[in-house]
Amino acid sequence: QKEVEQNSGPLSVPEGAIASLNCTYSDRGSQSFFWYRQYSGKSPELIMSIYSNGDKEDGRFTAQLNKASQYVSLLIRDSQPSDSATYLCAVIVSTGGFKTIFGAGTRLFVKA
Amino acid sequence: EADIYQTPRYLVIGTGKKITLECSQTMGHDKMYWYQQDPGMELHLIHYSYGVNSTEKGDLSSESTVSRIRTEHFPLTLESARPSHTSQYLCASTTTRGGTDTQYFGPGTRLTVL
Repeated sequence: QKEVEQNSGPLSVPEGAIASLNCTYSDRGSQSFFWYRQYSGKSPELIMSIYSNGDKEDGRFTAQLNKASQYVSLLIRDSQPSDSATYLCAVIVSTGGFKTIFGAGTRLFVKA
Repeated sequence: EADIYQTPRYLVIGTGKKITLECSQTMGHDKMYWYQQDPGMELHLIHYSYGVNSTEKGDLSSESTVSRIRTEHFPLTLESARPSHTSQYLCASTTTRGGTDTQYFGPGTRLTVL
C-alpha cells in the first residue's frame, strides 16, 4: 500500500462546476497535509495546507481533513479552464524522520 | 515568494559524462530535497538534507550523490550519466519555522543524456 494515494484521473469537469479531488494516507501519526498544483512542464506550487480536522477555505479552494478516516480532499468551486493541472496531495509522515510524501497526483481538466 | 534557483535549466549531455546540477536558496531553509520526475509521472524523492553535513538517500534508487556544505547550497552530482538518467530534476526546500513545513520548488533542470 502506498503511503499517499490519489486517483490518477483524469478528472474532467465543465467550467463553473465543483471539482472534488481525494487523497488517502496510511500514517495515522501524520499531522500536516498539503495540496500542490502542477501545470504541465512546471514545478509544483502550494495552494492549500491543512492541519486540523474539518474544512479550510481559501477563495475558491476548500481543503477538508478527516484524520479518523485518514482522508483529505480538495474542492475547487466555480472551476475555470486555468485550473486544469495535476493536483498533488502531500503528507508529512512521522516514519523516517518526518518526511514529506507526495501522492502520484490527479489530473484535472476543466472544459470551457 | 520563494527564492530557490536551479542551474542549468536545460542540459543535453553524452553518456559517461560527469555532471552537477546546482540548487541554491536564499531563504535560510534548513531542509532541502531533490526529486526526479518524468513527464506526466509522479515525483520521486532521491535525496534530502535536514541541514549542513546531513544527507540521506530517498525512496528512489539513484546513482547520484549530494552534498550540503552550506545551508543555501545542495548540488546533485551524477558521476557517469546514462540515458536512463534522462528526466526532470526538481530541487525543493522547506523551513519548519512557523510550523508550516511547506515545500518551495525550484524551476527544475531538464536533463537529456544521449
